[in-house]
Amino acid sequence: QQQVKQSPQSLIVQKGGISIINCAYENTAFDYFPWYQQFPGKGPALLIAIRPDVSEKKEGRFTISFNKSAKQFSLHIMDSQPGDSATYFCAASREAATDSWGKLQFGAGTQVVVTP
Amino acid sequence: NAGVTQTPKFRVLKTGQSMTLLCAQDMNHEYMYWYRQDPGMGLRLIHYSVGEGTTAKGEVPDGYNVSRLKKQNFLLGLESAAPSQTSVYFCASSGGDHRGLSSYEQYFGPGTRLTVT
Repeated sequence: QQQVKQSPQSLIVQKGGISIINCAYENTAFDYFPWYQQFPGKGPALLIAIRPDVSEKKEGRFTISFNKSAKQFSLHIMDSQPGDSATYFCAASREAATDSWGKLQFGAGTQVVVTP
Repeated sequence: NAGVTQTPKFRVLKTGQSMTLLCAQDMNHEYMYWYRQDPGMGLRLIHYSVGEGTTAKGEVPDGYNVSRLKKQNFLLGLESAAPSQTSVYFCASSGGDHRGLSSYEQYFGPGTRLTVT
């Protein structure tokens, strides 16, 4: 049973458009929410991360929106570019827990294709 | 710095054969992890290690064993491979000192694609 549910499974967006990926979690002890980006044939790489003390974090064209009461968070890719075509994974962790050891619970992933 | 490296990149095994996947990191990270990636299931944690000489089970440990004899290396072993272990395996490491957001960042290797026939 996945502790982090991610949608949609895949997404096609035109160049210049906005890509939106949503994630939901149940465990209220989660306190660290990263997004990883994975290109074909490569390992995932950290894209952006947020803690629940803020509702939004922006880095360039990438923004995380966080809704603690709804237990949901989302990734917005503004002005999407063909180079953004990749698989995106949301994840969650209990950073403050002494027995967490940095373990991440990953969503199932969203394949984003940006058409020219 | 090479970061996290994995060997081999590809491997085909017959059912019942054994093999060891090697992960090496040159970032002096304390924590290391082994994941498997299957379509539609994201990354699932197999085993992890929080320091040299220590290992622990993750979400899907059955059929796998690990060892961390040196801080920079984390080995994943399959004693008797099964077709259900066909997957892409990723190793990751993190600083593990819990002193900032970046210490939780996991750095991933390029993966090993394993096929068991």
